[in-house]
Amino acid sequence: QVQLVQSGAEVKKPGASVKVSCKASGYTFTSYYMHWVRQAPGQGLEWMATINPSGGGTDYVQKLQGRVTVTRDTSTSTVYMDLSSLRSEDTAVYYCARGSGRYYDFDYWGQGTLVTVSA
Amino acid sequence: EIVLTQSPGTLSLSPGERATLSCRPSQNISSTYLAWYQQKPGQAPRLLIYGASSRATGIPDRFSGSGSGTDFTLTISRLEPEDFADYYCQHYGSSPPWTFGQGTKVEIK
Repeated sequence: QVQLVQSGAEVKKPGASVKVSCKASGYTFTSYYMHWVRQAPGQGLEWMATINPSGGGTDYVQKLQGRVTVTRDTSTSTVYMDLSSLRSEDTAVYYCARGSGRYYDFDYWGQGTLVTVSA
Repeated sequence: EIVLTQSPGTLSLSPGERATLSCRPSQNISSTYLAWYQQKPGQAPRLLIYGASSRATGIPDRFSGSGSGTDFTLTISRLEPEDFADYYCQHYGSSPPWTFGQGTKVEIK
């Protein structure tokens, strides 16, 4: 069965960086795009980034350009999301989600990783 | 940028009642690119509907999606206790490629 397992919660100081991992299993890793979506406390969902695990091509939301980097390791079927210059407003639960490859929806989601940015 | 406006913000209903949730894009969109998700507290979102009207795998048939252009609807025909949750619509477009509505909370009356 398809599973996306994310790394554990992180606490970071403002200005630091965080790297969240998402390990995929149960399907051919290179056949489906992977996305990152975040949710600030009590707020809605915000799409951040996507990566094509096959070729490594990425796309990012404009507001995070220059601060977010998504990479992948095909040998371990893992996708990484690196967010730098952290601010308090980056405090959120970060989800990885698989693109279904069908109608641009996201059919499987990781369990989420809470990133807290606090001095 | 296409903005998705969901209404109402909160829907207070009793189990067994019908829930009708609205998602209105700021511009005409293809129904191919409209999806709905359910999210319960402390959990990741779950895909309910893709392509505006197709149920995802394992989704009960009390959930249905409809609409086109600038007016889309998620209907839950008879609310079960486990259906009380937050619901989000999502669109695939150009810039940014993916956007979500602000969500509708379905709560127990």
